[in-house]
Amino acid sequence: ETGVTQSPTHLIKTRGQQVTLRCSSQSGHNTVSWYQQALGQGPQFIFQYYREEENGRGNFPPRFSGLQFPNYSSELNVNALELDDSALYLCASSFIQGGHTGELFFGEGSRLTVL
Amino acid sequence: DAKTTQPPSMDCAEGRAANLPCNHSTISGNEYVYWYRQIHSQGPQYIIHGLKNNETNEMASLIITEDRKSSTLILPHATLRDTAVYYCIVRSPNQAGTALIFGKGTTLSVSS
Repeated sequence: ETGVTQSPTHLIKTRGQQVTLRCSSQSGHNTVSWYQQALGQGPQFIFQYYREEENGRGNFPPRFSGLQFPNYSSELNVNALELDDSALYLCASSFIQGGHTGELFFGEGSRLTVL
Repeated sequence: DAKTTQPPSMDCAEGRAANLPCNHSTISGNEYVYWYRQIHSQGPQYIIHGLKNNETNEMASLIITEDRKSSTLILPHATLRDTAVYYCIVRSPNQAGTALIFGKGTTLSVSS
């Protein structure tokens, strides 16, 4: 148990639709990052939020967007879904202080299937 | 691209020590070595990290060579529940916004 919770755990969408995934970070953590994990691959970094601002982004198109709220929870939004967006989406929280980032703690993920 | 190289798979008998190697020959002076594992269909789990000294916690030990170009994660008494994909990652914790770059990891299979 990491204290990081994600919802929903599973969902099915069709191509072209939009999806919102949610994450509650571990108590005391102020940073949230999102990862995409395709079947058989390691997780790939999407972006990170700190103090409600995006402060790092991987090689993902703008249709992947996010939000962080004052309580440090977060959302990942994906527009115009494509078949290749089918994956496990992982949220991780951590604590940044004085420019130093602590360990990342991951949730169990949201498995998205795009048909 | 991942800055580490790991064997794709390893086997270990239950109760024996599992020694998982990792090469990180291009590691920078301010980068730490982190280990995570991922049990099937779960999120990655933090195991341990270190800079240059050997580290031990309740889960594992981390041995880093003096030149810091390689390391070994040791699970002293492997159990069936340790079957997972193990990822070795190098990262500087002092760069906010930097990601964990996962490679393909080592699939450890523990058998009775």
